[in-house]
Amino acid sequence: DTGVSQNPRHKITKRGQNVTFRCDPISEHNRLYWYRQTLGQGPEFLTYFQNEAQLEKSRLLSDRFSAERPKGSFSTLEIQRTEQGDSAMYLCASSPQIPTGPSSYNEQFFGPGTRLTVL
Amino acid sequence: GENVEQHPSTLSVQEGDSAVIKCTYSDSASNYFPWYKQELGKRPQLIIDIRSNVGEKKDQRIAVTLNKTAKHFSLHITETQPEDSAVYFCAPQGAGGTSYGKLTFGQGTILTVHP
Repeated sequence: DTGVSQNPRHKITKRGQNVTFRCDPISEHNRLYWYRQTLGQGPEFLTYFQNEAQLEKSRLLSDRFSAERPKGSFSTLEIQRTEQGDSAMYLCASSPQIPTGPSSYNEQFFGPGTRLTVL
Repeated sequence: GENVEQHPSTLSVQEGDSAVIKCTYSDSASNYFPWYKQELGKRPQLIIDIRSNVGEKKDQRIAVTLNKTAKHFSLHITETQPEDSAVYFCAPQGAGGTSYGKLTFGQGTILTVHP
């Protein structure tokens, strides 16, 4: 499978525990995004990387959340001291090199997501 | 930031009918306008997109139209089939500054196609 992969697919944890998710993007894609989706809602942007640089973080990303992409390939999203409100689907997406100019676009390919349940 | 609204939130049609979903956005700098389809328990998948220098794009039974002046774009599905039943999201993308690359998703439209 040459698409975006995420592990684990499901994670159940107790409140207060730390969890870490992994995303492996499509190999030639240099941009990587994290989104969070709760039931009945559209995905909400959390953060994105261009290569290893984290270029933007949403206000949704509290100081309990941290994301890394150390070598510009796979990325990890860690949540410390989980709360019940963190329960959601965490989606990763990647996109290819963006051409410059006014017609630039950014087709994003999504992974299957990691469903987090905090008890 | 970008404000995105989709209408309707639910849409029920008979097989063979057409379906139209409208998306309005606030950021006049947005220049890329995709539609994603998400089936229950699965990932969002891009079904069609349009760039700001084009007014309409068609791919078989699916089309997207863009009105940049009014800041809205619409998804059109003709000859609907039961397998079109899913949640559809618009996700306009801004250009420039810190919004570049980020998709802002609408709240979704649940489409049900009855056989």
